[in-house]
Amino acid sequence: KNEVEQSPQNLTAQEGEFITINCSYSVGISALHWLQQHPGGGIVSLFMLSSGKKKHGRLIATINIQEKHSSLHITASHPRDSAVYICAVLGRADKLIFGTGTRLQVFP
Amino acid sequence: DAGITQSPRHKVTETGTPVTLRCHQTENHRYMYWYRQDPGHGLRLIHYSYGVKDTDKGEVSDGYSVSRSKTEDFLLTLESATSSQTSVYFCAISEGRNTEAFFGQGTRLTVV
Repeated sequence: KNEVEQSPQNLTAQEGEFITINCSYSVGISALHWLQQHPGGGIVSLFMLSSGKKKHGRLIATINIQEKHSSLHITASHPRDSAVYICAVLGRADKLIFGTGTRLQVFP
Repeated sequence: DAGITQSPRHKVTETGTPVTLRCHQTENHRYMYWYRQDPGHGLRLIHYSYGVKDTDKGEVSDGYSVSRSKTEDFLLTLESATSSQTSVYFCAISEGRNTEAFFGQGTRLTVV
């Protein structure tokens, strides 16, 4: 079993929909990252959080340390949000452990 | 955008040949990382550096070596490329161990 699990693996939405991507992990962590990867492109850091909630524009990330779970929400989704969203946790020895990503497609 | 550049962006090489990938940063960050990304796997750490001439192995280091002679450059070398090393390679930098990471655009390497 992977130490970082994301769900769903694939997600299709209509423009304007509210989207939730989930990340569960099984190790102790000091921080959790959400990353975005566009097709053929590099990887961009969206959030780094260790507790509570962070918001940036239409993106919201939450983490529940006790439940070992984080969610990434996208409000009023847009086709330009189509990308792979990756969860990564900073585990022991300060090494990042990555999930396999959630592929999101938003259609107009 | 963080100043991090990978070169080359694409490379095709033959089995058994040596290959060097370069990661260059202009942020003066202490930590630099090399990851590989393969279908069905999350990014996996190959090697990382925590300072000039200070490097350590990651989870998939076999067949790879690294060098960091200057703060700004982190080189990844495949001593004798194999087909299993066909992958997309990402370099990343961070100021500290528990700080935001910034990624390069990736290098697509094909070993034929």
